Amino acid sequence: GNSVTQMEGPVTLSEEAFLTINCTYTATGYPSLFWYVQYPGEGLQLLLKATKADDKGSNKGFEATYRKETTSFHLEKGSVQVSDSAVYFCALSDNAGNMLTFGGGTRLMVKP
Amino acid sequence: AAGVIQSPRHLIKEKRETATLKCYPIPRHDTVYWYQQGPGQDPQFLISFYEKMQSDKGSIPDRFSAQQFSDYHSELNMSSLELGDSALYFCASSLIKSGQETQYFGPGTRLLVL
Repeated sequence: GNSVTQMEGPVTLSEEAFLTINCTYTATGYPSLFWYVQYPGEGLQLLLKATKADDKGSNKGFEATYRKETTSFHLEKGSVQVSDSAVYFCALSDNAGNMLTFGGGTRLMVKP
Repeated sequence: AAGVIQSPRHLIKEKRETATLKCYPIPRHDTVYWYQQGPGQDPQFLISFYEKMQSDKGSIPDRFSAQQFSDYHSELNMSSLELGDSALYFCASSLIKSGQETQYFGPGTRLLVL
């Protein structure tokens, strides 16, 4: 079956530091890949997505590139802010209308 | 833009009671999904509906049932509640008829079973 593995947190960074959260996946075929963010006490918000190999998703300074050769979709941001503190979930869907399979989530804490 | 609406936002129940959670998808979206997120856990898929028909089933207990109505809203019915049912329940919707598979999530219903 499908699975998503993320680096365990928490990840603690100082403001303006570079962020990488690793995500690798196992799936048949060509899944679509997503990053969702969950701020404290809130629901899941779509951060970015990529639907085919070599696609780069980007939003709010965050980027992730769909790497089929390494089955990875690592999340990066060049300069984090305190307001980026949240839990980040990597997820995949193997077809439109199918369930999302989530990774375990990575908590990011950014200190001033 | 309109988002997914869930009600209630918070719910407290006793063991063995029943609960009904409601979800109103984004207008014109044709697919609704339910997920359960336990404390400190990632969301787990429960069930989904496409055009009012059940389309996929995940780890949903037999004590739970769900349906999608003619106006596309969905309800998750939970009976004989157990302490372990305490979780955040998310509804998501998507428009797969147009080929878009992005799921948009509601704010969740936080259920506490005492």
